[in-house]
Amino acid sequence: NAGVMQNPRHLVRRRGQEARLRCSPMKGHSHVYWYRQLPEEGLKFMVYLQKENIIDESGMPKERFSAEFPKEGPSILRIQQVVRGDSAAYFCASSPNLDGGRNFGPGTRLTVT
Amino acid sequence: GQQVMQIPQYQHVQEGEDFTTYCNSSTTLSNIQWYKQRPGGHPVFLIQLVKSGEVKKQKRLTFQFGEAKKNSSLHITATQTTDVGTYFCAGGRYSGGGADGLTFGKGTHLIIQP
Repeated sequence: NAGVMQNPRHLVRRRGQEARLRCSPMKGHSHVYWYRQLPEEGLKFMVYLQKENIIDESGMPKERFSAEFPKEGPSILRIQQVVRGDSAAYFCASSPNLDGGRNFGPGTRLTVT
Repeated sequence: GQQVMQIPQYQHVQEGEDFTTYCNSSTTLSNIQWYKQRPGGHPVFLIQLVKSGEVKKQKRLTFQFGEAKKNSSLHITATQTTDVGTYFCAGGRYSGGGADGLTFGKGTHLIIQP
């Protein structure tokens, strides 16, 4: 049973470009979460989705950031017009229910030059 | 909102010494989860505690959940170099309003000197 998959693993973007991060949850998991982590810091919750629905996006900046989890295909975290401050590791996690442990993907390391 | 504080932020130990990290919440938790993240890696789920006063063991790791369900600890006996990493606790909120339901502490970085 494959774990949570994320791609790309590393992404370099210039300021003003768009970054598109993909996440395929574990088979059978309908809950998907996105987290952001800066070096030497903790995990900051961004958004929680179920199929075709955003359940909680309270941790996501109102501008430039969006997320989706379509009926078919992976979950996408999209960052428009990236700035240097967006450089971070972005982790996706999935779980079969809200109360259980989260399975994390390997992350996407975004560098904005 | 709910806050989960974790101490210490950094802990240096000699290989073979014990290690403990503590997690405290400002509110009663529905459950507590622990994760380990190796340097350059991703968080890996270790365990979940649900009951008041619960104690669980995984080999050299002992996890405790306080009686009031507001604090927790992770204790590692006789540390090994493979234990290096950051240990995060995450407190579960009693759900409602469609929220994510989990608040992560900032983690304790365990550094082991051989």
